[in-house]
Amino acid sequence: DTGVSQDPRHKITKRGQNVTFRCDPISEHNRLYWYRQTLGQGPEFLTYFQNEAQLEKSRLLSDRFSAERPKGSFSTLEIQRTEQGDSAMYLCASSLMGLAAQETQYFGPGTRLLVL
Amino acid sequence: DQQVKQNSPSLSVQEGRISILNCDYTNSMFDYFLWYKKYPAEGPTFLISISSIKDKNEDGRFTVFLNKSAKHLSLHIVPSQPGDSAVYFCAANGRDDKIIFGKGTRLHILP
Repeated sequence: DTGVSQDPRHKITKRGQNVTFRCDPISEHNRLYWYRQTLGQGPEFLTYFQNEAQLEKSRLLSDRFSAERPKGSFSTLEIQRTEQGDSAMYLCASSLMGLAAQETQYFGPGTRLLVL
Repeated sequence: DQQVKQNSPSLSVQEGRISILNCDYTNSMFDYFLWYKKYPAEGPTFLISISSIKDKNEDGRFTVFLNKSAKHLSLHIVPSQPGDSAVYFCAANGRDDKIIFGKGTRLHILP
């Protein structure tokens, strides 16, 4: 049973560089979420997809952030022109949204980003 | 404005005793509540959930209680074990498909 996987697990970059993270959800899950977590906080919602459609983006997601899920399977999150404030753990989660309105999201291990 | 509040940043409990983690919420539109456990350098792991139509859900050593009138839920772990030491996040889901998390409570199980 493979859960949600994320790559890379750690990324150190210099301010101004672009970074891209990948998330592979649980295979039969149709929904995929991105969250950001900083120290002392719970995960904060960034955006989510149902299949390949991006349904919502948080106000936390500035224009420098873009996410894609082109074939409704894996997703990428790109941050352009990184800033030190982007340093955080980026978490991906997936869920199966069916007829029951309530869903449980399952998280990957996260990608820890450090912007120097 | 925090919609999900965990007012205790940390909690220490003797091994074998009951651990009670508390959570309050403000949004009456929330209809599904979840608890996640997180170890350092790992993603949150789903523990247990409860629908707003219930007031209790039990899974092994874990029980979640929901008091809708008080907008309060709690997670009981009994008996507490050393492997339970982690950060516990309370989370709530409303009809807008987003999960809102609290800031977490760090549980220390003492030998």
